[in-house]
Amino acid sequence: KAGVTQTPRYLIKTRGQQVTLSCSPISGHRSVSWYQQTPGQGLQFLFEYFSETQRNKGNFPGRFSGRQFSNSRSEMNVSTLELGDSALYLCASSLRLAGYTNTGELFFGEGSRLTVL
Amino acid sequence: GESVGLHLPTLSVQEGDNSIINCAYSNSASDYFIWYKQESGKGPQFIIDIRSNMDKRQGQRVTVLLNKTVKHLSLQIAATQPGDSAVYFCADLARFTSGTYKYIFGTGTRLKVLA
Repeated sequence: KAGVTQTPRYLIKTRGQQVTLSCSPISGHRSVSWYQQTPGQGLQFLFEYFSETQRNKGNFPGRFSGRQFSNSRSEMNVSTLELGDSALYLCASSLRLAGYTNTGELFFGEGSRLTVL
Repeated sequence: GESVGLHLPTLSVQEGDNSIINCAYSNSASDYFIWYKQESGKGPQFIIDIRSNMDKRQGQRVTVLLNKTVKHLSLQIAATQPGDSAVYFCADLARFTSGTYKYIFGTGTRLKVLA
């Protein structure tokens, strides 16, 4: 069974540009969550999608957006990039929406490492 | 506010010894907790979870202890091996005021296994 696949793995952008990251969840998983990971900050929750709808959102500015397609694949977009957006962006999939059964393992991809110059 | 923190940023242990990684959480309403392991260049991997109606749960070489009174969580690794070297995160499942949930992760503890 294939795991969570994220593309691209590495990318370099300059300030002001935008970026789109892609995530393919494990087959059968309908929930996709996105996290930003920076040194010393741990994993910060961005948003969660389930059945093509954003169900939860973290405390990030509107420059961060996402969507989910009917096949559960998800993309996130960051517009007007800032230096502070440099991070590892992790996608996680799970069978159900977080909290639906009050449990639920998240399966993470290996991340997309974004560097903003 | 909600937060999940770790007592030590780096823990060094001798190969074969037991490791204990600690975590404090602040959300008294949290009732589900997970430990993840993240190796260099990889995404986090699930280790073990525990619900708030339990105070201990054991897996293969790992044990999670939950003390709800002091809002403290720990991960014990028995007979630590070089392959255990990684960053370990605890996370708790927090409930939004909207009734939805999200996982809150700590900043992580780096475990170094010394030969």
